[in-house]
Amino acid sequence: GESVGLHLPTLSVQEGDNSIINCAYSNSASDYFIWYKQESGKGPQFIIDIRSNMDKRQGQRVTVLLNKTVKHLSLQIAATQPGDSAVYFCAEKRVGSQGNLIFGKGTKLSVKP
Amino acid sequence: DAMVIQNPRYQVTQFGKPVTLSCSQTLNHNVMYWYQQKSSQAPKLLFHYYDKDFNNEADTPDNFQSRRPNTSFCFLDIRSPGLGDAAMYLCATSRGGGYEQFFGPGTRLTVL
Repeated sequence: GESVGLHLPTLSVQEGDNSIINCAYSNSASDYFIWYKQESGKGPQFIIDIRSNMDKRQGQRVTVLLNKTVKHLSLQIAATQPGDSAVYFCAEKRVGSQGNLIFGKGTKLSVKP
Repeated sequence: DAMVIQNPRYQVTQFGKPVTLSCSQTLNHNVMYWYQQKSSQAPKLLFHYYDKDFNNEADTPDNFQSRRPNTSFCFLDIRSPGLGDAAMYLCATSRGGGYEQFFGPGTRLTVL
């Protein structure tokens, strides 16, 4: 069978509050970053991406912030809804790689109604 | 709708019995990826095809193979599944490197 799963970091928020999910990436040579949302039993779903020549990008209810100095990425979700409950992964692409993404460990977001 | 399709969604095999998972895409993307994801872990890249060029990750076991007969289809072959190979297998596609990857729904593999 499968190996015992690791405990994911968990963030619990109240419906309507803003959520901030953080990610530390490993390689200063990474030039592309992406956030995915994964609901139980489903494949990862694209949320938002950002290239290394930017430090902020906004989507609908989501904002990604990139701090290259400290190699930190964050995802902000405004007015969090129960449907936002999922595991969120950040991923990075190294310069020169053929699009290979390296995923971070993931954060489980739970939204309390 | 353009999409990534994986069949079957659930696959049960016996220890040591070869199994093939399939992925197809209607996005006409030139890159296709296979990931392994175990419970509560991040997806781990096994290999990818950039057009017809096969690129294996250094730590992917020899037990895992892949075929891409055309742009639309890609297969993951597990030659002799072990209990440790039970996982979700995810297929993804992208338009070249450095772009968003689109994931399929995954195939959950159980090894008895």
